[in-house]
This record gives sequence, structure tokens and C-alpha cells, in this order.
Amino acid sequence: ETGVTQTPRHLVMGMTNKKSLKCEQHLGHNAMYWYKQSAKKPLELMFVYSLEERVENNSVPSRFSPECPNSSHLFLHLHTLQPEDSALYLCASSQAESYEQYFGPGTRLTVT
Amino acid sequence: GQNIDQPTEMTATEGAIVQINCTYQTSGFNGLFWYQQHAGEAPTFLSYNVLDGLEEKGRFSSFLSRSKGYSYLLLKELQMKDSASYLCAVRDPSGGSYIPTFGRGTSLIVHP
Repeated sequence: ETGVTQTPRHLVMGMTNKKSLKCEQHLGHNAMYWYKQSAKKPLELMFVYSLEERVENNSVPSRFSPECPNSSHLFLHLHTLQPEDSALYLCASSQAESYEQYFGPGTRLTVT
Repeated sequence: GQNIDQPTEMTATEGAIVQINCTYQTSGFNGLFWYQQHAGEAPTFLSYNVLDGLEEKGRFSSFLSRSKGYSYLLLKELQMKDSASYLCAVRDPSGGSYIPTFGRGTSLIVHP
């Protein structure tokens, strides 16, 4: 596979469930990102990892927990989410933090 | 702080030219990106401007005026497949981060 892949593409979960989103990049990049995209709102940066270290955490609630085991993989662990967390979650990678980003297709999350 | 403004929606006719504007008010500036996002798909990188002037890439051109805090994306010979959301993102390193901040995006509808 090439580019940035994300699984699952669609996820429906209850507020008491625990689930994880997975992202994999095949571009040899050093930086990976999680974004939240809600209707009518700008892309919201959630987390940034550079060389597998978290470098940014934009006041994201603790019910979202990122994990970056290596430079190619990024996870977003979800637990006790709220209905307002329903959104498209996009993963991206870049050669370094200052370069253009390559996005995955996203996971459409619905919290019921 | 950061403020990035784009029109919410624009419509244009197939074969025509359309200009999508982006204005920004940031403490610092180190580059502006344009991305295209088709419905249900990942954003894809279109252009990057860091110096004043016009950058041309096929049917798409991007212009930057740093003194005016203004950029536009020019799409020529519009095709139906150009119907998408166009995202402007500005890099402001004054806060210590080189990661760009996104505007809300402009939804472009191309009709026959």
C-alpha cells in the first residue's frame, strides 16, 4: 500500500465503549498528526508526534489517548466518548513538521 | 492569536475561472498552504506560498501578498471534478510551532 491509510473507515460506538483508530504511513515521514474535522468548522489539530515523541497536545480531553509505537504507526484510543465527539478523524504525516502534510481518508466516527 | 477567513461557499460554471480568497491575521507568518478536499475523501496538497507573488501549477495558481495578509487560489478552465472544498492553512511560528492552522474551507460547486 502507498500513502496514508486509516482503519476503520467508519465506526459507531456507544458512550461506554473503548475503541482504537489506527493510522499507517508508507511515505518514510517523521511526523504524524491527528485532526478532528466537524461540519462547518476548521480542521482541529489534536496531537502531533515527531520522531515518535509527542510534541503537541492541543487541550484535547483525556478520553482521547494517542499512541505512536514507531514512525509509521499512530493510534488514537477512545473511551467514554460523548455524542459531540462524532466527527471525521483524519490522520496525516509529513517529512518534518514544516512540510506539507499527506492525509489519510479518515475515520467517520459516530457516538451514540 | 490566529484568524483565517475564507468564503463558505462559491458556485461557478464549467469552463469558467474562479478565484477563492483567503485572508489571515496572525502574529507571525512562515508560509501558506492550499489543500483540496473532495466530499468523503482526504485533503490533498495543492500549493505552498512563502514569498509574495503568483505560483502557477497547471490549471491552478496561488497568489500571496504578505503585506496584505491575503492569498487566493485561481482555478482556470473549471471542470466538474473541481467541485470540492478548498482549505487555506497558514503557518505562524510565533507560538513556537511550525504546524499550519486551517481555515474553515470554501465549498466550490461547479455546475454545467
